[in-house]
Amino acid sequence: EPEVTQTPSHQVTQMGQEVILRCVPISNHLYFYWYRQILGQKVEFLVSFYNNEISEKSEIFDDQFSVERPDGSNFTLKIRSTKLEDSAMYFCASSYLSNQPQHFGDGTRLSIL
Amino acid sequence: GQQLNQSPQSMFIQEGEDVSMNCTSSSIFNTWLWYKQEPGEGPVLLIALYKAGELTSNGRLTAQFGITRKDSFLNISASIPSDVGIYFCAGQKSWNSGGSNYKLTFGKGTLLTVNP
Repeated sequence: EPEVTQTPSHQVTQMGQEVILRCVPISNHLYFYWYRQILGQKVEFLVSFYNNEISEKSEIFDDQFSVERPDGSNFTLKIRSTKLEDSAMYFCASSYLSNQPQHFGDGTRLSIL
Repeated sequence: GQQLNQSPQSMFIQEGEDVSMNCTSSSIFNTWLWYKQEPGEGPVLLIALYKAGELTSNGRLTAQFGITRKDSFLNISASIPSDVGIYFCAGQKSWNSGGSNYKLTFGKGTLLTVNP
């Protein structure tokens, strides 16, 4: 069964450094999402992306965050200058249409030191 | 922002028992979804519900979309050890008039432990 894949599985970065998290959505899906889950808390929406542009973002997704679909398969989340509070699991998800179920990757654990 | 109240927070049951968990919201959602998350993995979709009052089964799992569109429950019958994990409800709702944005709002999860 097709799945969303994310790399790396764990990223350790010094505070203030830039980090790029990578995702390969399911191949025929058109809508892409990033969510994060701080340890012990619920999954929170960050951003949705369709037709090469952001369609919705949460208040968490500030100027330090950006997303990109650099080619036909990858979908990336960049954090420009990481803060300690950015430490979390980051999940990528995709759906074929916006009103169809989103399928999640296994996440990238981001640890900021 | 929108809040989903999911209960119970955790359950510790014996293998073979039935389990029920639910989510409520103060606002309406167009779709309710139930996901399961195991350690080190992302949420895996279990059941999606699209219409108020809809009752849907997936093996030993049964979920219902509340008639008011503000709640949903998930039942697991005859639990087995591999049912262990965190179960999340999620509501999906359009955020703009065009109906093209369907971000998920998650509950805080129900941690299920099954004692063999």
